[in-house]
Amino acid sequence: DQQVKQNSPSLSVQEGRISILNCDYTNSMFDYFLWYKKYPAEGPTFLISISSIKDKNEDGRFTVFLNKSAKHLSLHIVPSQPGDSAVYFCAASAYGANNLFFGTGTRLTVIP
Amino acid sequence: DAGVIQSPRHEVTEMGQEVTLRCKPISGHNSLFWYRQTMMRGLELLIYFNNNVPIDDSGMPEDRFSAKMPNASFSTLKIQPSEPRDSAVYFCASSQSYGYTFGSGTRLTVV
Repeated sequence: DQQVKQNSPSLSVQEGRISILNCDYTNSMFDYFLWYKKYPAEGPTFLISISSIKDKNEDGRFTVFLNKSAKHLSLHIVPSQPGDSAVYFCAASAYGANNLFFGTGTRLTVIP
Repeated sequence: DAGVIQSPRHEVTEMGQEVTLRCKPISGHNSLFWYRQTMMRGLELLIYFNNNVPIDDSGMPEDRFSAKMPNASFSTLKIQPSEPRDSAVYFCASSQSYGYTFGSGTRLTVV
């Protein structure tokens, strides 16, 4: 049973435009959310995170938004670059637990 | 630090054979996780260890799967006997807190 869901398996965006990747979760105990980026033949690498006490966290071109009432978070990449082409995984954890629950991933393609 | 090291990178085996995947976590990290990546389910947690002790193995698909962590610098995931449906990429990750560091994964193909 997927507790973290990424309903869009793929997304294509023109270089320079905004990429918006979405994630939904079902477990109300989740209080920490992360995005990981994965290139082919490599392991996922940490990108950005957000605690449930915030609704926005920004790091350069990457911003994560959290809507707790909707159990929804999104990752915005502005401006998108060809090097951003990768699979993006959303992940969540509950307070006091250090295991992460991951979504199925969204493959982002940034077209030059 | 060399990061999380997994071996082998690729494994092709025949159905019914035993397969052992290996992982060396980052020194000083006290948690170790085994994940399996498939198209349908994304990254599934199989088992995780805290301070070498298995904490949650509820994600292990069935008794054919077993994992050990004999010391802080080494863990194995064993599948015996292997089946074609076990074909996937298996990732090991280690952590000190919330942030995980993943290895490059082992791509397992069971024919």
